[in-house]
Amino acid sequence: NAGVTQTPKFQVLKTGQSMTLQCAQDMNHNSMYWYRQDPGMGLRLIYYSASEGTTDKGEVPNGYNVSRLNKREFSLRLESAAPSQTSVYFCASSESRVGLTPLHFGNGTRLTVT
Amino acid sequence: AQKVTQAQTEISVVEKEDVTLDCVYETRDTTYYLFWYKQPPSGELVFLIRRNSFDEQNEISGRYSWNFQKSTSSFNFTITASQVVDSAVYFCALKPSGSRLTFGEGTQLTVNP
Repeated sequence: NAGVTQTPKFQVLKTGQSMTLQCAQDMNHNSMYWYRQDPGMGLRLIYYSASEGTTDKGEVPNGYNVSRLNKREFSLRLESAAPSQTSVYFCASSESRVGLTPLHFGNGTRLTVT
Repeated sequence: AQKVTQAQTEISVVEKEDVTLDCVYETRDTTYYLFWYKQPPSGELVFLIRRNSFDEQNEISGRYSWNFQKSTSSFNFTITASQVVDSAVYFCALKPSGSRLTFGEGTQLTVNP
């Protein structure tokens, strides 16, 4: 079982460059999430998708866009990267549409913006 | 407003010691869920436990135990006879019925041999 797969694992961008973080889950989960983790701030929700075809903003959506391509895949796009977006990004999925079941996380993407 | 406070930023213990990680939460909802997750040095977050607000029974799973007390809005996590492999960042999280999941800032536990 692959679970939640994120790519890439590491990325270095220059300010203003764009990139897309890919995420796929093979557990037939309804909900998918993107979090960022910064020192001393825990995990903060960027965007989520409660079900295929829907996406909603989380706590820190500015500077990001998402696409729920199908039930399996949920991508996160940085259109114009900024140093403040240097972080570790985690994709997660859960069975519940309303977040009551545990999250299954990917291994994370460590992004550095110079 | 909802909030999760993990006041202990870092804890260091020696192997075989017992250690308790504190979690205090705030919510106005009467229905909510509480979670603990573990993030080992490898980086991936792993689910440990979920409790709902109507079930205050404490839970034990091997060396892990959880103490849920609604009177003090706390959901503390105890590791008995700690081991080096327990070294990780532990996150407590709160999911009120009408709001999003909120994570605490995490507690870095280091177990020294």
